[in-house]
Amino acid sequence: QVQLVQSGAEVKKPGASVKVSCKASGYTFTDYYIHWVRQAPGQGPEWMGWLKPNSGRTNYAQKFQGRVTMTRDTSINTAYLELSRLRSDDTAVYYCAREAIAGTPNYFDPWGQGTLVTVSS
Amino acid sequence: DIQMTQSPSSVSASVGDRVTITCRASQGINSWLAWYQQKPGKAPKLLIYAASSLQSGVPSRFSGSGSGTDFTLTISSLQPEDFATYYCQQANSFPITFGQGTRLEIK
Repeated sequence: QVQLVQSGAEVKKPGASVKVSCKASGYTFTDYYIHWVRQAPGQGPEWMGWLKPNSGRTNYAQKFQGRVTMTRDTSINTAYLELSRLRSDDTAVYYCAREAIAGTPNYFDPWGQGTLVTVSS
Repeated sequence: DIQMTQSPSSVSASVGDRVTITCRASQGINSWLAWYQQKPGKAPKLLIYAASSLQSGVPSRFSGSGSGTDFTLTISSLQPEDFATYYCQQANSFPITFGQGTRLEIK
């Protein structure tokens, strides 16, 4: 079955960087966009950007421009999210999510299980 | 950015009830709207896309309607597993944005 499995929880200090991985299985990794979405405690989801695995092309939300980098390694069907210059308000669960239907963008299914990133001094 | 406003923010209902949740976009998004269900500690799950298309595997008691700026999610007969938080999401333009959520609680 289609599955996205993310790396484990992280605790970081303000100003540090974090890199979260998302390993895909059950489908052809390069055929579907991967999106990254975060959710702060008690809040709704917040879209961060997308990655096109076959080309490496990206599109980031303006809010994260300059701090976010999305990459992939097609040899191991894995996408990565790196967020730098972390602040306390970056504390959230970070999700990767696949494009639900190839060619019908911007709907997300399935999602990874989430990675809690805690930023604290 | 397109703002998505859901109402109500929370609703109490009983098993077997019919429940409707609304979502309003700050500008027209045609039918580029999705609904998700999220249970505590879990990732969101896609229920409806393109405003009214049921995602594969989702029970038919879930339905969506609307276009332009006003949308609804209806659950025709609540089941115990439906008590969760529901989010709408616009897929019309970047940045993609979500509503603030509607918490569906057991009465």
